[in-house]
Amino acid sequence: SQTIHQWPATLVQPVGSPLSLECTVEGTSNPNLYWYRQAAGRGLQLLFYSVGIGQISSEVPQNLSASRPQDRQFILSSKKLLLSDSGFYLCAWNGLGTGNTIYFGEGSWLTVV
Amino acid sequence: DQQVKQNSPSLSVQEGRISILNCDYTNSMFDYFLWYKKYPAEGPTFLISISSIKDKNEDGRFTVFLNKSAKHLSLHIVPSQPGDSAVYFCAASAINNFNKFYFGSGTKLNVKP
Repeated sequence: SQTIHQWPATLVQPVGSPLSLECTVEGTSNPNLYWYRQAAGRGLQLLFYSVGIGQISSEVPQNLSASRPQDRQFILSSKKLLLSDSGFYLCAWNGLGTGNTIYFGEGSWLTVV
Repeated sequence: DQQVKQNSPSLSVQEGRISILNCDYTNSMFDYFLWYKKYPAEGPTFLISISSIKDKNEDGRFTVFLNKSAKHLSLHIVPSQPGDSAVYFCAASAINNFNKFYFGSGTKLNVKP
């Protein structure tokens, strides 16, 4: 069966520090991968999506970047965090066998202080 | 510009009664719609979906209705249970751009015992 995992689950980072969130999918190949953010009191905002290795589409200009170094690995990064980067980050995937449905990881709670 | 809107941030319902969660969209190209349930600090879990060729889809206590002319969909939960208390997100995608899923801002449902 397919599973998706992301880590770390929670982190507290100072302003100006770097960020790396990692997401991996198991049990499938060539998935579409997504990064969403849920800011406090707001909905789910699509940040990046990827249809293949090295292929990244950015939805909104921001202080973040994404990379897909391997087929089932998706990384969200920042060189210098801002206070406004705080939020709940969600990795998601869809692909073979999922139809038009996307499935989410457990989420990573980032607090920038 | 938010293409999927949930105008009710919260809803309170008595246990055993019907819960109706509403969602509106603006993009007429959307042809697939989904509902997700989310608990705090967890990733959203898929509940039910509907394609634009249907106007109703039912799965146990959950029914989704789609009114294409009004660009409106709703999720009915009957009967509501305390365990249904969570934030519910609607989402939409278009077959010509199926990699993108747009989410509403969510409705927090509280089912009172």
